[in-house]
Amino acid sequence: DIQLTQSPSTLSASIGDRVTITCRASQAISHWLAWYQQQPGRAPKLLIYEASTLESGVPSRFSGSGSGTEFTLTISSLQPDDFATYYCQQYNTYSSFGQGTKLEIK
Amino acid sequence: QVQLQESGPGLVKPSQTLSLTCTVSGGSVGSGRYFWSWIRQPAGKGLEWIGDIYSSVSTSYNPSLKSRVTISLDTSRNQFSLKLTSVTAADTAIYYCANAYSGYESWGQGTVVTVSS
Repeated sequence: DIQLTQSPSTLSASIGDRVTITCRASQAISHWLAWYQQQPGRAPKLLIYEASTLESGVPSRFSGSGSGTEFTLTISSLQPDDFATYYCQQYNTYSSFGQGTKLEIK
Repeated sequence: QVQLQESGPGLVKPSQTLSLTCTVSGGSVGSGRYFWSWIRQPAGKGLEWIGDIYSSVSTSYNPSLKSRVTISLDTSRNQFSLKLTSVTAADTAIYYCANAYSGYESWGQGTVVTVSS
């Protein structure tokens, strides 16, 4: 099984901050990684796929990078709607998710 | 845009079989374009992939659940289904259906399933 480890588990930040979340895979997954945002009580929403491709309709302040085993999600300037939980997901071998990163208001 | 809606019992007794259906609109489950997937989330916890089906001929299951899971397609009703046997309290969760091309593009709203006697 491919394990995904996200860091940090919790992140406190302010409106306008630039933040980065890291996702590390237990083995190489090429670029087969997606990022999701989940608001409380809602289904997850796809933000980025194939490590760096922005899903249609997602604001350009979100960006993704990486390949192999290390990946990052960056939000360039935090907006109020961005405070949520973020998950990475690999689909190189079956599918699995990271444990999540909760982005909180400082 | 594909839309998905889960349905099924909200309460299942221990040792019994959990059965859920996902009804799809805006796309065809038999088209061969997407994987059709089930994902679950225990309250306050992270996401767990359960399994996928592709075009009625290919299924993939989470190894930790494989012995208990069956996912199937009903192209005449444009639905796909999940069966999870021998459930315990650990199977209590929100169950989501989703479609995947590269990443899970669209999700149902989720349905809460509680395993309790």
